[in-house]
Amino acid sequence: SQQGEEDPQALSIQEGENATMNCSYKTSINNLQWYRQNSGRGLVHLILIRSNEREKHSGRLRVTLDTSKKSSSLLITASRAADTASYFCANLRGNDMRFGAGTRLTVKP
Amino acid sequence: EPEVTQTPSHQVTQMGQEVILRCVPISNHLYFYWYRQILGQKVEFLVSFYNNEISEKSEIFDDQFSVERPDGSNFTLKIRSTKLEDSAMYFCASKVPNYGYTFGSGTRLTVV
Repeated sequence: SQQGEEDPQALSIQEGENATMNCSYKTSINNLQWYRQNSGRGLVHLILIRSNEREKHSGRLRVTLDTSKKSSSLLITASRAADTASYFCANLRGNDMRFGAGTRLTVKP
Repeated sequence: EPEVTQTPSHQVTQMGQEVILRCVPISNHLYFYWYRQILGQKVEFLVSFYNNEISEKSEIFDDQFSVERPDGSNFTLKIRSTKLEDSAMYFCASKVPNYGYTFGSGTRLTVV
């Protein structure tokens, strides 16, 4: 399967804390993407990290990629209640993408 | 910023009826996709479309499903005879090579 698999499935933290979500994948990748989905809403692209990159930052987001372990992590620093959502990694190989089941993040105010 | 537009946002249909979900991808994008998400479950790939033909489809995309790009701007997903288990959010996406997908905000299909 090309799907990413995230862990944990659910994460609950206090506002201001950091949240780390992990993703593992089975096949080789061209790049790996992280998406966010608010409950019942569409998917919002957060970060794309290419297979030759090891780390990427965007605001309070930091993504790492370890191709030897076929894993990636998404770190959200100084979390806010508005960060409450599901976060998915997606493995892009060629031009097709498969999603993992996601991590449901709850940030308590 | 360019957007992928999906209509309708919510559709309710009787079991056995045909539905057409519509999408307007970003104009210079070349690859088009449909995904679905059953409530509380993960986003599942349905079909990819490139150069006016299906490039890949999943096992979910059976003979009840079809896609079309009828006029160079719209990209449609048709379900011929809906079943209760077709109830889900359906997302359209488009992209250019080696860049991230842009998703539409989805159509919630409810089959009753």
